Amino acid sequence: AQSVTQPDIHITVSEGASLELRCNYSYGATPYLFWYVQSPGQGLQLLLKYFSGDTLVQGIKGFEAEFKRSQSSFNLRKPSVHWSDAAEYFCAVGASGGSYIPTFGRGTSLIVHP
Amino acid sequence: EPEVTQTPSHQVTQMGQEVILRCVPISNHLYFYWYRQILGQKVEFLVSFYNNEISEKSEIFDDQFSVERPDGSNFTLKIRSTKLEDSAMYFCASSPGQGYSPLHFGNGTRLTVT
Repeated sequence: AQSVTQPDIHITVSEGASLELRCNYSYGATPYLFWYVQSPGQGLQLLLKYFSGDTLVQGIKGFEAEFKRSQSSFNLRKPSVHWSDAAEYFCAVGASGGSYIPTFGRGTSLIVHP
Repeated sequence: EPEVTQTPSHQVTQMGQEVILRCVPISNHLYFYWYRQILGQKVEFLVSFYNNEISEKSEIFDDQFSVERPDGSNFTLKIRSTKLEDSAMYFCASSPGQGYSPLHFGNGTRLTVT
């Protein structure tokens, strides 16, 4: 079965600074990978996804993520963080064979200082 | 853009009572899901539903839980006899397909069992 690790529970950045949220997955074949964002009181919104092809994927709100098979990672990045980016970020992995049900990490809470 | 809607947004119930959480998935989606998130913990898969039957369920989804699609639009999660540990945010999601199709989430129902 697939699994996801988000090693950082909280990340604090200053507005305008760059951001990288880490995600490591465990799955034997090529996974489907997703990043979701959850603002307070809201559901999970898809930021971006990776299935195949170009390993650098662009998402909404200026986010991007890079799939690195050798490191089993799918880290989320943004060059300049805005105060409105403060939220909970979840990485998820789905299996390309067998169970397609996405497995979520525990999330990383992003705090943005002015 | 079509949305997944969930009602109520917050449900308070006493231990041992039955609760029904309601969801209206996106109309042309075929796969439906329930996830839950206990406060401070990761988003956990409960059950998936396709073609009017459960397609997959987790260990959490025991006999206390049931799902139903009583008509063409609603998708419900019933907890037969609630326990304190059922207190969580419950998310409904839907997707048009499996695997590479990302899930679309509702805003969740916060269930508080007292």
